[in-house]
Amino acid sequence: QITLKESGPTLVKPTQTLTLTCTFSGFSLSTSGVGVGWIRQPPGKALEWLALIYWNDDKRYSPSLKSRLTITKDTSKNQVVLTMTNMDPVDTATYYCAHRRGGYYAFDIWGQGTMVTVSS
Amino acid sequence: EIVLTQSPGTLSLSPGERATLSCRASQSVSSSYLAWYQQKPGQAPRLLIYGASSRATGIPDRFSGSGSGTDFTLTISRLEPEDFAVYYCQQYGSSPPAVTFGGGTKVEIK
Repeated sequence: QITLKESGPTLVKPTQTLTLTCTFSGFSLSTSGVGVGWIRQPPGKALEWLALIYWNDDKRYSPSLKSRLTITKDTSKNQVVLTMTNMDPVDTATYYCAHRRGGYYAFDIWGQGTMVTVSS
Repeated sequence: EIVLTQSPGTLSLSPGERATLSCRASQSVSSSYLAWYQQKPGQAPRLLIYGASSRATGIPDRFSGSGSGTDFTLTISRLEPEDFAVYYCQQYGSSPPAVTFGGGTKVEIK
Protein backbone atom coordinates (compact mmCIF):
# COMPACT_ATOMS: atom_id res chain seq x y z
CA GLN A 1 0.00 0.00 0.00
CA ILE A 2 1.42 3.34 -1.07
CA THR A 3 1.20 6.23 1.38
CA LEU A 4 2.71 9.71 1.41
CA LYS A 5 2.76 12.29 4.16
CA GLU A 6 3.83 15.91 4.05
CA SER A 7 5.52 17.66 6.95
CA GLY A 8 6.90 21.10 7.59
CA PRO A 9 6.10 24.42 9.25
CA THR A 10 2.51 25.62 9.39
CA LEU A 11 3.54 29.28 9.57
CA VAL A 12 6.37 31.09 7.81
CA LYS A 13 7.19 34.77 7.60
CA PRO A 14 7.42 36.72 4.34
CA THR A 15 10.85 36.45 2.67
CA GLN A 16 11.66 33.23 4.56
CA THR A 17 12.44 29.91 2.89
CA LEU A 18 9.92 27.09 3.19
CA THR A 19 11.17 23.51 3.48
CA LEU A 20 8.66 20.69 3.14
CA THR A 21 9.33 16.99 3.44
CA CYS A 22 7.33 14.20 1.83
CA THR A 23 7.87 10.87 3.59
CA PHE A 24 6.52 7.88 1.71
CA SER A 25 6.15 4.13 1.97
CA GLY A 26 5.04 1.27 -0.25
CA PHE A 27 7.30 2.12 -3.19
CA SER A 28 10.89 2.93 -4.01
CA LEU A 29 12.01 6.10 -5.73
CA SER A 30 14.76 4.08 -7.39
CA THR A 31 12.24 2.05 -9.42
CA SER A 32 12.25 2.95 -13.10
CA GLY A 33 9.48 5.34 -14.12
CA VAL A 34 8.45 6.37 -10.63
CA GLY A 35 8.23 10.00 -9.62
CA VAL A 36 7.07 12.22 -6.75
CA GLY A 37 5.50 15.59 -7.36
CA TRP A 38 4.46 18.61 -5.32
CA ILE A 39 1.17 20.40 -5.93
CA ARG A 40 -0.37 23.24 -3.95
CA GLN A 41 -3.85 24.70 -3.53
CA PRO A 42 -4.58 28.15 -2.10
CA PRO A 43 -7.77 28.27 0.00
CA GLY A 44 -10.82 28.06 -2.28
CA LYS A 45 -8.70 27.97 -5.45
CA ALA A 46 -7.51 25.48 -8.03
CA LEU A 47 -4.60 23.06 -7.93
CA GLU A 48 -1.18 24.32 -9.04
CA TRP A 49 1.69 21.98 -9.90
CA LEU A 50 5.08 22.96 -8.46
CA ALA A 51 7.75 20.34 -9.10
CA LEU A 52 8.41 16.69 -9.94
CA ILE A 53 11.41 14.43 -9.36
CA TYR A 54 11.95 11.11 -11.09
CA TRP A 55 13.66 7.90 -10.08
CA ASN A 56 16.73 8.86 -12.18
CA ASP A 57 16.99 12.27 -10.40
CA ASP A 58 15.55 14.13 -13.40
CA LYS A 59 13.77 17.21 -12.06
CA ARG A 60 10.99 19.37 -13.51
CA TYR A 61 9.70 22.69 -12.22
CA SER A 62 6.77 24.97 -12.83
CA PRO A 63 8.09 27.60 -15.26
CA SER A 64 6.51 30.43 -13.26
CA LEU A 65 8.12 29.33 -9.97
CA LYS A 66 11.31 27.69 -11.19
CA SER A 67 13.65 30.33 -9.77
CA ARG A 68 12.29 29.78 -6.26
CA LEU A 69 12.01 25.99 -6.12
CA THR A 70 14.40 23.13 -5.44
CA ILE A 71 13.35 19.48 -5.24
CA THR A 72 15.61 16.71 -3.97
CA LYS A 73 15.26 13.09 -2.96
CA ASP A 74 16.79 10.82 -0.35
CA THR A 75 16.10 7.31 -1.55
CA SER A 76 17.50 5.69 1.57
CA LYS A 77 15.12 7.64 3.79
CA ASN A 78 12.14 7.41 1.39
CA GLN A 79 11.84 11.19 1.40
CA VAL A 80 11.46 14.01 -1.10
CA VAL A 81 12.18 17.58 0.00
CA LEU A 82 10.86 20.77 -1.60
CA THR A 83 12.31 24.17 -0.78
CA MET A 84 10.67 27.41 -1.82
CA THR A 85 12.52 30.67 -1.29
CA ASN A 86 11.27 34.19 -0.69
CA MET A 87 7.84 33.21 0.61
CA ASP A 88 4.98 35.68 0.20
CA PRO A 89 1.41 35.76 1.59
CA VAL A 90 0.14 34.64 -1.85
CA ASP A 91 2.01 31.35 -1.25
CA THR A 92 -0.43 30.51 1.53
CA ALA A 93 -1.86 27.15 0.51
CA THR A 94 -2.23 23.47 1.22
CA TYR A 95 0.82 21.70 -0.16
CA TYR A 96 0.47 18.12 -1.39
CA CYS A 97 2.99 15.54 -2.46
CA ALA A 98 1.88 12.78 -4.81
CA HIS A 99 3.16 9.56 -6.39
CA ARG A 100 3.57 9.22 -10.13
CA ARG A 101 3.46 5.61 -11.30
CA GLY A 102 5.69 4.62 -14.14
CA GLY A 103 3.79 4.83 -17.42
CA TYR A 104 1.09 7.04 -15.92
CA TYR A 105 1.19 10.69 -16.82
CA ALA A 106 -0.77 11.46 -13.69
CA PHE A 107 -0.52 11.36 -9.90
CA ASP A 108 -2.25 8.22 -8.67
CA ILE A 109 -1.72 8.49 -4.91
CA TRP A 110 -1.70 11.73 -2.92
CA GLY A 111 -0.70 12.69 0.60
CA GLN A 112 -3.21 14.33 2.92
CA GLY A 113 -1.64 17.76 2.41
CA THR A 114 -0.17 20.28 4.82
CA MET A 115 -1.45 23.83 5.23
CA VAL A 116 1.18 26.56 5.14
CA THR A 117 0.34 30.14 6.07
CA VAL A 118 2.64 33.00 5.16
CA SER A 119 2.22 35.91 7.53
CA SER A 120 4.30 38.26 9.59
CA GLU B 1 2.92 26.53 -21.58
CA ILE B 2 -0.39 24.77 -22.22
CA VAL B 3 -3.45 26.30 -20.56
CA LEU B 4 -6.43 24.10 -19.68
CA THR B 5 -9.87 25.73 -19.56
CA GLN B 6 -12.66 23.82 -17.85
CA SER B 7 -16.34 24.47 -18.39
CA PRO B 8 -18.80 25.05 -16.98
CA GLY B 9 -17.47 26.50 -13.76
CA THR B 10 -20.42 25.06 -11.87
CA LEU B 11 -22.84 22.33 -12.90
CA SER B 12 -26.11 22.03 -10.95
CA LEU B 13 -27.68 18.61 -11.35
CA SER B 14 -29.82 16.11 -9.49
CA PRO B 15 -28.81 12.61 -8.42
CA GLY B 16 -29.36 10.17 -11.26
CA GLU B 17 -28.69 12.76 -13.95
CA ARG B 18 -25.82 12.69 -16.43
CA ALA B 19 -22.91 15.10 -15.99
CA THR B 20 -20.73 16.23 -18.87
CA LEU B 21 -17.60 18.21 -18.01
CA SER B 22 -15.34 19.85 -20.58
CA CYS B 23 -11.60 20.50 -20.61
CA ARG B 24 -10.16 22.48 -23.49
CA ALA B 25 -6.41 22.86 -24.07
CA SER B 26 -4.72 25.88 -25.64
CA GLN B 27 -2.60 23.51 -27.76
CA SER B 28 -2.97 19.91 -28.82
CA VAL B 29 -2.36 17.44 -25.99
CA SER B 30 -1.49 13.78 -26.43
CA SER B 31 -4.33 11.66 -25.09
CA SER B 32 -1.77 9.73 -23.07
CA TYR B 33 -1.07 12.85 -21.07
CA LEU B 34 -4.58 13.90 -20.00
CA ALA B 35 -6.00 13.00 -16.59
CA TRP B 36 -9.04 13.82 -14.44
CA TYR B 37 -9.30 14.12 -10.66
CA GLN B 38 -12.12 14.41 -8.15
CA GLN B 39 -11.74 16.49 -5.00
CA LYS B 40 -14.15 16.67 -2.09
CA PRO B 41 -14.01 19.38 0.60
CA GLY B 42 -11.12 18.89 3.01
CA GLN B 43 -9.70 15.97 1.03
CA ALA B 44 -6.81 15.44 -1.34
CA PRO B 45 -7.62 14.97 -5.02
CA ARG B 46 -8.31 11.42 -6.23
CA LEU B 47 -7.25 10.19 -9.65
CA LEU B 48 -10.26 9.14 -11.73
CA ILE B 49 -9.03 8.91 -15.32
CA TYR B 50 -5.58 8.76 -16.92
CA GLY B 51 -4.61 8.55 -20.57
CA ALA B 52 -7.83 10.46 -21.35
CA SER B 53 -10.04 7.36 -21.07
CA SER B 54 -8.55 4.76 -18.69
CA ARG B 55 -10.17 4.46 -15.28
CA ALA B 56 -7.85 4.38 -12.30
CA THR B 57 -7.98 1.50 -9.85
CA GLY B 58 -11.28 1.25 -8.01
CA ILE B 59 -13.09 3.92 -10.02
CA PRO B 60 -16.71 2.99 -10.84
CA ASP B 61 -17.64 2.53 -14.49
CA ARG B 62 -20.15 5.40 -14.35
CA PHE B 63 -17.06 7.62 -14.82
CA SER B 64 -15.73 7.79 -18.35
CA GLY B 65 -13.29 9.98 -20.21
CA SER B 66 -13.02 10.78 -23.89
CA GLY B 67 -11.56 13.24 -26.32
CA SER B 68 -8.41 14.07 -28.25
CA GLY B 69 -6.37 16.98 -29.48
CA THR B 70 -7.62 20.04 -27.61
CA ASP B 71 -11.04 18.86 -26.41
CA PHE B 72 -11.57 16.35 -23.64
CA THR B 73 -14.67 15.30 -21.69
CA LEU B 74 -15.39 13.63 -18.39
CA THR B 75 -18.83 12.02 -18.23
CA ILE B 76 -20.59 10.74 -15.13
CA SER B 77 -23.41 8.62 -16.47
CA ARG B 78 -25.70 8.70 -13.41
CA LEU B 79 -24.78 10.96 -10.54
CA GLU B 80 -24.59 9.33 -7.13
CA PRO B 81 -24.74 11.47 -3.95
CA GLU B 82 -21.01 10.94 -3.39
CA ASP B 83 -20.14 12.34 -6.85
CA PHE B 84 -20.94 15.93 -5.92
CA ALA B 85 -17.46 17.44 -5.79
CA VAL B 86 -14.95 19.51 -7.77
CA TYR B 87 -13.32 17.94 -10.83
CA TYR B 88 -9.98 18.94 -12.33
CA CYS B 89 -8.34 18.02 -15.59
CA GLN B 90 -4.55 17.85 -15.83
CA GLN B 91 -2.08 17.57 -18.66
CA TYR B 92 1.49 16.37 -18.57
CA GLY B 93 3.44 18.17 -21.25
CA SER B 94 6.75 17.34 -22.80
CA SER B 95 7.71 20.64 -24.38
CA PRO B 96 8.29 22.35 -22.10
CA PRO B 97 8.15 19.48 -19.63
CA ALA B 98 5.50 20.62 -17.17
CA VAL B 99 2.25 19.69 -15.54
CA THR B 100 -0.78 21.97 -15.64
CA PHE B 101 -4.23 21.76 -14.07
CA GLY B 102 -7.48 23.25 -15.22
CA GLY B 103 -9.43 25.66 -13.05
CA GLY B 104 -11.96 23.02 -12.00
CA THR B 105 -15.68 22.33 -12.40
CA LYS B 106 -17.88 22.11 -9.33
CA VAL B 107 -20.73 19.61 -9.60
CA GLU B 108 -23.38 20.63 -7.08
CA ILE B 109 -26.74 19.29 -6.08
CA LYS B 110 -29.61 21.09 -7.76
